[in-house]
Amino acid sequence: GDSVTQMEGPVTLSEEAFLTINCTYTATGYPSLFWYVQYPGEGLQLLLKATKADDKGSNKGFEATYRKETTSFHLEKGSVQVSDSAVYFCALIMGAAGNKLTFGGGTRVLVKP
Amino acid sequence: DGGITQSPKYLFRKEGQNVTLSCEQNLNHDAMYWYRQDPGQGLRLIYYSQIVNDFQKGDIAEGYSVSREKKESFPLTVTSAQKNPTAFYLCASSIGEGSGGYTFGSGTRLTVV
Repeated sequence: GDSVTQMEGPVTLSEEAFLTINCTYTATGYPSLFWYVQYPGEGLQLLLKATKADDKGSNKGFEATYRKETTSFHLEKGSVQVSDSAVYFCALIMGAAGNKLTFGGGTRVLVKP
Repeated sequence: DGGITQSPKYLFRKEGQNVTLSCEQNLNHDAMYWYRQDPGQGLRLIYYSQIVNDFQKGDIAEGYSVSREKKESFPLTVTSAQKNPTAFYLCASSIGEGSGGYTFGSGTRLTVV
């Protein structure tokens, strides 16, 4: 079945450091890919998405590029802030109606001042 | 603004009691979902519904029940048969088709006392 694998956390960084969270997927077709962010005590918010190969999703300084050849969707940010401390989830969904999102296990990021 | 409302935000339950968590959406989404999240863990699917008056079990449905009498509402009952109900519960909705992601509520934290 479809699956998403994320790097395990926690990832601890200093403010203004470069962040990368690796995400790879296994799917039988060409899924849409998502990154969600969860701040402490809150629900998940959609951070960015990409629906086809070579698409780049971007939002709030975060970027991720849909790489079909490596089945990856790595999340990057050039200069993190303390407010970026959160849990980040990679997810995929296949295009047919009725399919459900498949989530990775989440990666906790802690940014220290 | 359209969105998903979960209530209450915090809920305490005595052992042996049933409790119902509310989830309401005004996004006109067809599909709705309930997830459970334990501390430091990812999301596990409890139940989902893709249309009114129909729902399916997810990965961890034992000890839970749902109903979908209205498109806007998808309440979750945590029954006394759920042996370890203390967790963070997240409700989500989607258009149910293809490449769309999910919109999440802000969650309900249930504690058994």
